[in-house]
Amino acid sequence: DTGVSQNPRHKITKRGQNVTFRCDPISEHNRLYWYRQTLGQGPEFLTYFQNEAQLEKSRLLSDRFSAERPKGSFSTLEIQRTEQGDSAMYLCASSLTFQYFGPGTRLLVL
Amino acid sequence: GQNIDQPTEMTATEGAIVQINCTYQTSGFNGLFWYQQHAGEAPTFLSYNVLDGLEEKGRFSSFLSRSKGYSYLLLKELQMKDSASYLCAHTGGGNKLTFGTGTQLKVEL
Repeated sequence: DTGVSQNPRHKITKRGQNVTFRCDPISEHNRLYWYRQTLGQGPEFLTYFQNEAQLEKSRLLSDRFSAERPKGSFSTLEIQRTEQGDSAMYLCASSLTFQYFGPGTRLLVL
Repeated sequence: GQNIDQPTEMTATEGAIVQINCTYQTSGFNGLFWYQQHAGEAPTFLSYNVLDGLEEKGRFSSFLSRSKGYSYLLLKELQMKDSASYLCAHTGGGNKLTFGTGTQLKVEL
């Protein structure tokens, strides 16, 4: 257990539904990252926050994806109008220097 | 990852030593990282190299050559629990990690 927690751990949804995931970082970490990982691939960067500011977003993050970190602590990642291609493991990481990953949320879109 | 290459699979024997290689290309460079990932679990930080040379941490060592864009992870005294995917990653001048596709290591008796 790295101290980064994510909820829910698993989510099954139907295509077209909206889903929201939460990440609680290690408390003193000011940086928070979201990654997506599909089977047989390494994690791919989605977005990054320093405190409450979203400093970088990947081109992978379409307009159906939005992330927030309102008070510089926990973060949420919302996917609107889910598609089957969104099925993946969504990983959150936090850091002061090195990135420590949470257990991930595994999303299955039917 | 687009600019990180590592072997897809390796097999080794319990008690042996295995070296997992990684080559990378990046315009900026802030460090080379190795993570271990067991099936269905999150990546776990193993090592970090920012300067050339060897960093040793118990049974695990990592080497970096910045001029060659090359790193390796050395695992000694292999145990069955070392069977996992080993991910090479760099921060290309920024903060985000760019990962390779991972090397699936299988440790056999």
